[in-house]
Amino acid sequence: DSGVTQTPKHLITATGQRVTLRCSPRSGDLSVYWYQQSLDQGLQFLIHYYNGEERAKGNILERFSAQQFPDLHSELNLSSLELGDSALYFCASSLNLGETQYFGPGTRLLVL
Amino acid sequence: LAKTTQPISMDSYEGQEVNITCSHNNIATNDYITWYQQFPSQGPRFIIQGYKTKVTNEVASLFIPADRKSSTLSLPRVSLSDTAVYYCLVGLLNDYKLSFGAGTTVTVRA
Repeated sequence: DSGVTQTPKHLITATGQRVTLRCSPRSGDLSVYWYQQSLDQGLQFLIHYYNGEERAKGNILERFSAQQFPDLHSELNLSSLELGDSALYFCASSLNLGETQYFGPGTRLLVL
Repeated sequence: LAKTTQPISMDSYEGQEVNITCSHNNIATNDYITWYQQFPSQGPRFIIQGYKTKVTNEVASLFIPADRKSSTLSLPRVSLSDTAVYYCLVGLLNDYKLSFGAGTTVTVRA
C-alpha cells in the first residue's frame, strides 16, 4: 500500500460525458501527479500540481483539467469523453518536486 | 528522457536470479537510471535508482558499467509474487515527468 488513494476504482460511462477522478496523496506530500496508461501509449505524464498550484503539463488534452485543493487532494476532470479516453488513470504523490513518486492503485475508465 | 530499450518479456522459475538489461546509448552526463515495478491493476512502484557502478537494496541490485550505456536490474531468488512488468527509466534525478516505455514482463513459474 503506497498510501495514495484513488476513487473510484472503476468507471464506466458513455461518449460525450464528463467524469471526475479523485486522488488523495500520502500524508504530508505536497506534489500530485496524474498519469494515463493506455495499451498503445504506455504510461504518460499528464499534469503536476504542487501545494495547490499547477506546475507542469504533459500530454494532457484540452478536454482534461485538474486541480489540487487546500487539503491537497486532487481531482482530474475529463469531459466530452471519447472511446480513446478509455485507460487507467494513475495519481502519484511525492513530498517535494522531483522526489520518489508513490503511485495510487489507479482508476480504470471505460468509455462506451 | 533518454530512449531506453529492454526485452519485452522474460520467463523464470522460483528461486532463480533474474537479470533484466536496459540499453540507453544516449544517456546524458547528469542522467540517473531508475527502475519501477508494476503489478497488474496497480500503479508502478519505485525499486531502485543509480548513477554508476553498483547499487543494492533489500529488493534488487542495479549494475551500471563504466560507459553507462546500459544497466542491469538483478532480482535475486525470485518468487511467484515477483511476476510483474519492470520499467527502466533514464533521466535527471529530479525529473518528475516520468514517461514509461513498454517495460519487460517478467513471469515467474513454480
